[in-house]
Amino acid sequence: KAGVTQTPRYLIKTRGQQVTLSCSPISGHRSVSWYQQTPGQGLQFLFEYFSETQRNKGNFPGRFSGRQFSNSRSEMNVSTLELGDSALYLCASSLLGSGEKLFFGSGTQLSVL
Amino acid sequence: AQSVAQPEDQVNVAEGNPLTVKCTYSVSGNPYLFWYVQYPNRGLQFLLKYITGDNLVKGSYGFEAEFNKSQTSFHLKKPSALVSDSALYFCAVRDNAGNMLTFGGGTRLMVKP
Repeated sequence: KAGVTQTPRYLIKTRGQQVTLSCSPISGHRSVSWYQQTPGQGLQFLFEYFSETQRNKGNFPGRFSGRQFSNSRSEMNVSTLELGDSALYLCASSLLGSGEKLFFGSGTQLSVL
Repeated sequence: AQSVAQPEDQVNVAEGNPLTVKCTYSVSGNPYLFWYVQYPNRGLQFLLKYITGDNLVKGSYGFEAEFNKSQTSFHLKKPSALVSDSALYFCAVRDNAGNMLTFGGGTRLMVKP
């Protein structure tokens, strides 16, 4: 069974640009959540989707958005990039949500110059 | 608001010795508690979880964790450390109302030969 796939693996952008990250969950998983990992702030929750509906949202500005498609694949978008958005963005999937075991992808390393 | 504290940024232990990685939490109601491990350049991997039942939870790779309600702690333990256990360990908590998963800041475990 394929694991959680995140693309691209690495991304370099400049301030003011926008970026879209993609996550393909494990087949059959309906919940996808996103996290931002930085050395100083640790793991911060961005949002969780279940069956195309946003179920929870973390404390991030509106520049961060996401969506989930009918096949459970998810994308997150960051507009008007800032230097502080440089981070490892991790996606996790599960059958039903965050109350059970999460399967994480390897992440997308975003660098904003 | 729920929160997780991992008071030690780094834990050093000699191979073969027992190890403990500490975690305390704050949450409304009964907690869902998790431990995840992150190896370099990888996403997080699930180790174990506590929802209800026996206070001692056994997980992957010989790890176990003890739930202590009165001390609101969920320390990770292993009787005999291996060099390959060296990694970044995260404790996480969620309430039982379906809210988001909150992670601690992480503890780096270094096992010396």
